[in-house]
Amino acid sequence: SQTIHQWPATLVQPVGSPLSLECTVEGTSNPNLYWYRQAAGRGLQLLFYSVGIGQISSEVPQNLSASRPQDRQFILSSKKLLLSDSGFYLCAWDIAGGPGEQFFGPGTRLTVL
Amino acid sequence: AQKVTQAQTEISVVEKEDVTLDCVYETRDTTYYLFWYKQPPSGELVFLIRRNSFDEQNEISGRYSWNFQKSTSSFNFTITASQVVDSAVYFCALNTGGFKTIFGAGTRLFVKA
Repeated sequence: SQTIHQWPATLVQPVGSPLSLECTVEGTSNPNLYWYRQAAGRGLQLLFYSVGIGQISSEVPQNLSASRPQDRQFILSSKKLLLSDSGFYLCAWDIAGGPGEQFFGPGTRLTVL
Repeated sequence: AQKVTQAQTEISVVEKEDVTLDCVYETRDTTYYLFWYKQPPSGELVFLIRRNSFDEQNEISGRYSWNFQKSTSSFNFTITASQVVDSAVYFCALNTGGFKTIFGAGTRLFVKA
């Protein structure tokens, strides 16, 4: 069966510090991968998606970046965090050739102080 | 432009009551897909249903049922005989065939014992 992992679960970072959130998927090959951000009381905002290794598409211009160094690994990064980067970050995957249902990780709650 | 509106921010019911969560969508595409997801307090979104635009049949799965009406651009979700475990945030979502799924703002459901 497929499993998706995210870490860390929670993170408190000062403004201006770097960020690295990691997501890995098990039990499937060549998935589409996604990073979403959920602000408090809001819906999900798509940040990045990837259809393959090294292929990243950005939906929202901001100080975040994403990378996919391996087929089932997706990393969200920032060189300098802003207060507005606080939120709940969710990684998700679906099967290539969709659109089908997406499978979500447990999320990372990021607080920037 | 695509849009998903969940007008109900919060709903509170007593256990065993029926409850309907509303979802209205906007798109000019003739082919599209609608989804419902559940986000329990743990934070991980769980897929509930997918419906494509060519299938207007209503669906029932246990205590859950969905009413898809293209004439009113609505895809409403009803929980029959609600239970405390149904307490969660529910998201309606729309995809028109690409990689971007548009999520509504969500409806928070409280089911009191």
